[in-house]
Amino acid sequence: DIQMTQSPSSLSASVGDRVSITCRASQGISNSLAWYQQKPGKAPGLLVYATSRLETGVPSRFSGSGSGTDYTLTITSLQPEDFATYYCQQYYSTPQTFGQGTKVDMK
Amino acid sequence: QVQLQESGPGLVKPSETLSLTCTVSGVSITTFYFNWIRQPPGKGLEWIGNIYHSGIFKYNPSLKSRVTISIDTSKNQFSLKLNSVTASDTAMYYCARGDYSDYALDFWGQGTQVTVSS
Repeated sequence: DIQMTQSPSSLSASVGDRVSITCRASQGISNSLAWYQQKPGKAPGLLVYATSRLETGVPSRFSGSGSGTDYTLTITSLQPEDFATYYCQQYYSTPQTFGQGTKVDMK
Repeated sequence: QVQLQESGPGLVKPSETLSLTCTVSGVSITTFYFNWIRQPPGKGLEWIGNIYHSGIFKYNPSLKSRVTISIDTSKNQFSLKLNSVTASDTAMYYCARGDYSDYALDFWGQGTQVTVSS
């Protein structure tokens, strides 16, 4: 299985901050990388797929980048509704695997 | 609009079989891949497997010996069976749609909590 390691595991930030979350794969995944947002008691929601493609309806303050084994989700100006847990997912090979999550909370 | 809804017993006894169904609306189940994912309390996400209407399926090797995913195109539903459950199978179970067998998951059900306990 491909292991996905997210960092940091948690971070505290303020509204308006620029936030970056990193995901490292245990082997190259050829940009087969998605990011999800999950709020308490809710299902995950797709934000970004294929490393940098924004899902329909996702605000442009979210962006994804990366290649090879290293990928990043960036929120350019954190909004109140962005406090949540974020997961990366690789779908390069079976089984699809997720990172352990990064919790973004209010400073 | 596309909607997925999980259903099934919320409590299963150890060693028995967990059975869940996902009802899909707003899209034909014959046009996408459909997945099961679970999330133990306070933990991360684990992909269980997926299926296509033709019967093609993939399972997570860690669960492969206990999992069966099936599809009923007449009801626009797909199902999960996980046998010989233990407490470690206690989790929120989600169904989700993907464009391809290995792809991002763009629509999710709200999830159903399953507890394994006697």
